[in-house]
Amino acid sequence: NAGVTQTPKFRILKIGQSMTLQCTQDMNHNYMYWYRQDPGMGLKLIYYSVGAGITDKGEVPNGYNVSRSTTEDFPLRLELAAPSQTSVYFCASSYLESGNTIYFGEGSWLTVV
Amino acid sequence: KQEVTQIPAALSVPEGENLVLNCSFTDSAIYNLQWFRQDPGKGLTSLLLIQSSQREQTSGRLNASLDKSSGRSTLYIAASQPGDSATYLCAVKAGSNFGNEKLTFGTGTRLTIIP
Repeated sequence: NAGVTQTPKFRILKIGQSMTLQCTQDMNHNYMYWYRQDPGMGLKLIYYSVGAGITDKGEVPNGYNVSRSTTEDFPLRLELAAPSQTSVYFCASSYLESGNTIYFGEGSWLTVV
Repeated sequence: KQEVTQIPAALSVPEGENLVLNCSFTDSAIYNLQWFRQDPGKGLTSLLLIQSSQREQTSGRLNASLDKSSGRSTLYIAASQPGDSATYLCAVKAGSNFGNEKLTFGTGTRLTIIP
């Protein structure tokens, strides 16, 4: 039962560097999401996807990009990392039905210095 | 804009006690409400989901209630155990769309059960 798997778990980036957070799910879910969680704040949606080839912006998309070439994978790309992107990132997925439950990965801790 | 508030931010109770966690939201036009558990260094795990037409949901020692008109939900934990120590978050879903892109999360209540 892998569920939603994120890599890497921890990463330190220098300002201006780029990186990709990987996310894969094995539940054949249509919907996938990327959130960030900052201390004392609720989760904020960065991007989401309703299926392969379809992505859309969430509440805080600036500085990030995504792609969804397969049902299973939904990588998040950080371009020109900034200290404001220091956060915990969560990937999640859910199935296409009303009242669906959302499943989260274990998170990726990113520090930009 | 929907706002979700969870007070208190932290709560400590002795083992064995029953306890209630609170969640309030500003816009009563919600589709459903979910309660999640988050352990340190881990992701969120869904505990209970209440549809807007429901008043409560139960799972084991957990009971969640929903009062849409007053914009409130509670999570009741019976006979608390040290293993219940975690952060509990609630999230409300707007609209009737099939996805969860309209979820608004609270900031959570960090619960500590004292043995």
